[in-house]
Amino acid sequence: AQTVTQSQPEMSVQEAETVTLSCTYDTSENNYYLFWYKQPPSRQMILVIRQEAYKQQNATENRFSVNFQKAAKSFSLKISDSQLGDTAMYFCAFLLSNDYKLSFGAGTTVTVRA
Amino acid sequence: EAQVTQNPRYLITVTGKKLTVTCSQNMNHEYMSWYRQDPGLGLRQIYYSMNVEVTDKGDVPEGYKVSRKEKRNFPLILESPSPNQTSLYFCASSSRVTHNEQFFGPGTRLTVL
Repeated sequence: AQTVTQSQPEMSVQEAETVTLSCTYDTSENNYYLFWYKQPPSRQMILVIRQEAYKQQNATENRFSVNFQKAAKSFSLKISDSQLGDTAMYFCAFLLSNDYKLSFGAGTTVTVRA
Repeated sequence: EAQVTQNPRYLITVTGKKLTVTCSQNMNHEYMSWYRQDPGLGLRQIYYSMNVEVTDKGDVPEGYKVSRKEKRNFPLILESPSPNQTSLYFCASSSRVTHNEQFFGPGTRLTVL
């Protein structure tokens, strides 16, 4: 079974600054995907960024970027130029390439302060 | 618009009163699943379905039932709800081809008194 660990239950960041969320995972498989989902107060699950394990290049989506360290099984999310709308819970998730079940971490609540 | 819908969005009920949460998708997806979200635990899979009439247990199936009689619908049934089933529930779907892109419903907040 795959496990995903997010060790930071809560984080706070000043508007326009940068915050980094950590995520580690455990798997013996080689082919998989990693995701960061955002859950704002509306509770909708919004895909922020996706990384394919076979790609060495770190994924980026505008102000969101990841640091994917496959050997260390680490997948951190960096939010640059934080905005008030970034306030949300963020979940790290894992998906095997030959499976459909997402395995989620416990989540990190991010609060952006004005 | 491609979407996954869930109903109801909010439900307060009492112990033992059977309820059904509906889930429907309009993308002709083969795969559908149910997750529950609890504080400190993230989302955990309850049941999933690979196609019509094909369902299987996820990680936390106790107390739940599902059915997949039509491709678009995947209802979650609580025959005798208990307070420990108070949670936020999500339905998700994906295509067999692009299974790494899962679409989530808006969530159903269930409270069992």
